[in-house]
Amino acid sequence: GAVVSQHPSWVICKSGTSVKIECRSLDFQATTMFWYRQFPKQSLMLMATSNEGSKATYEQGVEKDKFLINHASLTLSTLTVTSAHPEDSSFYICSAREGHPNTEAFFGQGTRLTVV
Amino acid sequence: QKEVEQNSGPLSVPEGAIASLNCTYSDRGSQSFFWYRQYSGKSPELIMFIYSNGDKEDGRFTAQLNKASQYVSLLIRDSQPSDSATYLCAVIVGGKLIFGQGTELSVKP
Repeated sequence: GAVVSQHPSWVICKSGTSVKIECRSLDFQATTMFWYRQFPKQSLMLMATSNEGSKATYEQGVEKDKFLINHASLTLSTLTVTSAHPEDSSFYICSAREGHPNTEAFFGQGTRLTVV
Repeated sequence: QKEVEQNSGPLSVPEGAIASLNCTYSDRGSQSFFWYRQYSGKSPELIMFIYSNGDKEDGRFTAQLNKASQYVSLLIRDSQPSDSATYLCAVIVGGKLIFGQGTELSVKP
C-alpha cells in the first residue's frame, strides 16, 4: 500500500505555544488529506478535510483559527495547533487519498501531543 | 442518528472461534466501506474494503455488505490472540471517511 509519513510521532509542548505536525505522502500524490483527532478510548473524529491548493473544510465545532491546516503541495499537509492548551492533548492522525473520492485513504503513524 | 454505528463491546471470543463485528450506516448513498484495525497507541491499519453487496473474503477475514439494510460486517475466522484490538468501521460520506466508534475485540487463549 501507499505510504504516509507523519512527523513528529510525539511532542510535548508548553501551554500557550504552537505546534506543527507534518503529513507527507511518500509515493503518491495526495489530492485530499484528512486530519483526525482521537481521545483515549474514543474513535477517530474528523477535524478537517483539505484539498491541495484550496482552503481546508472544517467539521462543525472545530476552530479553524486554532487548528491551522495547510495543503500547499500534493505531498504535504501541515496541521498547526496554535496557543495549545492541556485540553488539546490528544492523538492526531492524518490520512491521504489519491484520486477518486470513494477510494481508500492511507494513514500516517499519528502524533501524540501532550500540552503541559 | 450517528452516521456510522458499531457496538462498542468489548467482544470476547475464545481462540479459534469466529468473531463477528457489525456496523450500520445512515447515508444510503454511501458506496465505499472499510474495516480498520487499531492497536492501542497506534494508527489504524486497513484490513478490508468492500464496495459491492455480498461477501468479500481475504484470508481469515470476510466482509459482508448489505446496502438495502445499510449494514456491513466483518467476520474473523480462527481468531488469534494477536487479533485482539479495536476494529473500526468506516464509510465514505460525501467524500469524507467517517468512522464508527469502534468495537474492542479480545481473543482469549
